[in-house]
Amino acid sequence: GESVGLHLPTLSVQEGDNSIINCAYSNSASDYFIWYKQESGKGPQFIIDIRSNMDKRQGQRVTVLLNKTVKHLSLQIAATQPGDSAVYFCAENPNTGNQFYFGTGTSLTVIP
Amino acid sequence: DTGVSQDPRHKITKRGQNVTFRCDPISEHNRLYWYRQTLGQGPEFLTYFQNEAQLEKSRLLSDRFSAERPKGSFSTLEIQRTEQGDSAMYLCASSPSFTPDGEAFFGQGTRLTVV
Repeated sequence: GESVGLHLPTLSVQEGDNSIINCAYSNSASDYFIWYKQESGKGPQFIIDIRSNMDKRQGQRVTVLLNKTVKHLSLQIAATQPGDSAVYFCAENPNTGNQFYFGTGTSLTVIP
Repeated sequence: DTGVSQDPRHKITKRGQNVTFRCDPISEHNRLYWYRQTLGQGPEFLTYFQNEAQLEKSRLLSDRFSAERPKGSFSTLEIQRTEQGDSAMYLCASSPSFTPDGEAFFGQGTRLTVV
């Protein structure tokens, strides 16, 4: 199967600091990626997506960077807030169908 | 509430019993997904519907699992002869897109415990 992994399973940041969550993917044919946020007891919530023809995409307080050369994806959260505390997943679509492969997730804890 | 609705939220069953879960997607969303998530892991794809057609099934979906979306609206996921390894959160998601691109909206899931 596909392999989508995260470098750090847990991340703690001070409120107001920037957070960077990393993700490695294995399928060079993947052309579409999504970051999801999952709070305890809830389903994943879409944050931002990026296609492989882009290197960077910005949303509200979030930026996704894609490095296809090293098959690496990152999510940057600016001015991290307590409400950002959750597990963050990257997911890839390998352009062979409608499946998305999710990574294990990184647990982000924001320290007030 | 116009989000994805899943029922029940929790299900405890004895090994060997059959269970059925229901998912009501957001109205007029043509794409519907089922995923399974175990503790500490990301969701694993199970199956995908485009309207009423089941177009993809994961190899994870054994013969004991069956999913339907008879009228292209709600969907059901049935697990026959449940095993302890089936214990997980079962997530449903829907999307209005005609391609895999775009936001998929997840429900809160059905947590299955097989005892």
